[in-house]
Parts: sequence; structure tokens; C-alpha cells
Amino acid sequence: EVQLVESGGGLVQPGGSLRLSCAASGFTVSSNYMSWVRQAPGKGLEWVSVIYSGGSTYYADSVKGRFTISRDNSKNTLYLQMNSLRAEDTAVYYCARESCSGGSCYRGHNWFDPWGQGTLVTVSS
Amino acid sequence: EIVMTQSPATLSVSPGERATLSCRASQSVSSNLAWYQQKPGQAPRLLIYGASTRATGIPARFSGSGSGTEFTLTISSLQSEDFAVYYCQQYNNWPPYSFGQGTKLEIK
Repeated sequence: EVQLVESGGGLVQPGGSLRLSCAASGFTVSSNYMSWVRQAPGKGLEWVSVIYSGGSTYYADSVKGRFTISRDNSKNTLYLQMNSLRAEDTAVYYCARESCSGGSCYRGHNWFDPWGQGTLVTVSS
Repeated sequence: EIVMTQSPATLSVSPGERATLSCRASQSVSSNLAWYQQKPGQAPRLLIYGASTRATGIPARFSGSGSGTEFTLTISSLQSEDFAVYYCQQYNNWPPYSFGQGTKLEIK
């Protein structure tokens, strides 16, 4: 069964750091495009970052320079290192696999399936 | 950045009736549009991709249509489990991927 399980969320003070993890099962993280998507309380969905199978990474402007996406192939796990956290980063963070039809996905032309259950990050003093 | 606008924000429909949800893109996204369902406390679930292709395991009462800038998600004969928030997402112009603000489908 294909599954994603996030962990690492919690309460952190403004300016602090946190690292989120997303453990995958049923497929290989390093062979897929993997994204983080967040949802502020009561709000909609916002794409945050992607790491491609080749290792290239991209970020939303709102987190560029503060967040770093990475993966550990031996643990089949995706990470999001979040530094210089702000109140507006408060959200549920989901990891998701980018999916496509046909044999090969193209960068930036994919939907998200499956999603993890999410982990809540609260930035507050 | 492409802006996705969903309407209405809230839709009240009785069980057994049809629901029609709209999603508009600020510029053409061709057929590169997906729909998701999200229930309280749960992650989004993929319903539709390619504007009209149902994802694996999605009931036939869910259908998507449209291309370019105007898209529709139709749920025929609403079941109790269909009351949720629905989001559209474009994947034609990236970065970034962009989502609509959501339509809440509630019981009338």
C-alpha cells in the first residue's frame, strides 16, 4: 500500500527552526517527484516546495531562503527543514507525491496523489 | 502566477440532488486541472485530473469538465459522504502550482 506519514510538527517560537519528516512506504521517494503543501488554519492549500528525482529543488517565494527540502534514500524519507520561522508559517504541512499519466512526469505538470495525513506547525511566542 | 477562483464559496444542496462547482483560471491552463476533496481533519484526496479523468476508486457520480479557463466539477445524486470542501489545482504554469480557495459543499 502506498502511504505517506509526516512527523515533526509542533510549537516553535518566531525565528526558530523545525524539521519535518515524511516517511514513505509502497514506493521509492528518490524515484519520484515529492512536494510539500501547507494549509493555514481555516485556509486553502499552498504549494511550498518540490524535490525531483534528479535532486533539483524548487521553492515558493514565501519560503525561499528559509526552507530546505531534502530526502534520505536509505530511509525512504522526505524532509523539510524550516528556519527563521514566522507566524504566517503556521499551518498543517502535507507531503505529497506528484503524479502523472503515462510513463514519465514532467516538471511542473503534475497533480498530487497520495497525500500524507499532515503535521501541524504552530509559530507563536 | 495563475490565480484560481472557485465559486461559490459555499454551496448548500440536499442529499440526492446534483451539485455543480466552478473553477476559473486567470489565464488558460489547457486541461491541466485537478480536483480534490477534503473532509475535516483529513488530507485532500484526488478526485479528478486532466480536467475530466476520475482518479482510481472515485465513484462515477463525480465528473469534471472544461478546458482553458473555465472548469466544472459535477456531483450527481449527492451522498452524505460527499459533503466536504473541494479544491481545484492548476498544473499548467509552474512555479508555483496554484489552488483555488475552495468550495464548501454543505447539507441543505
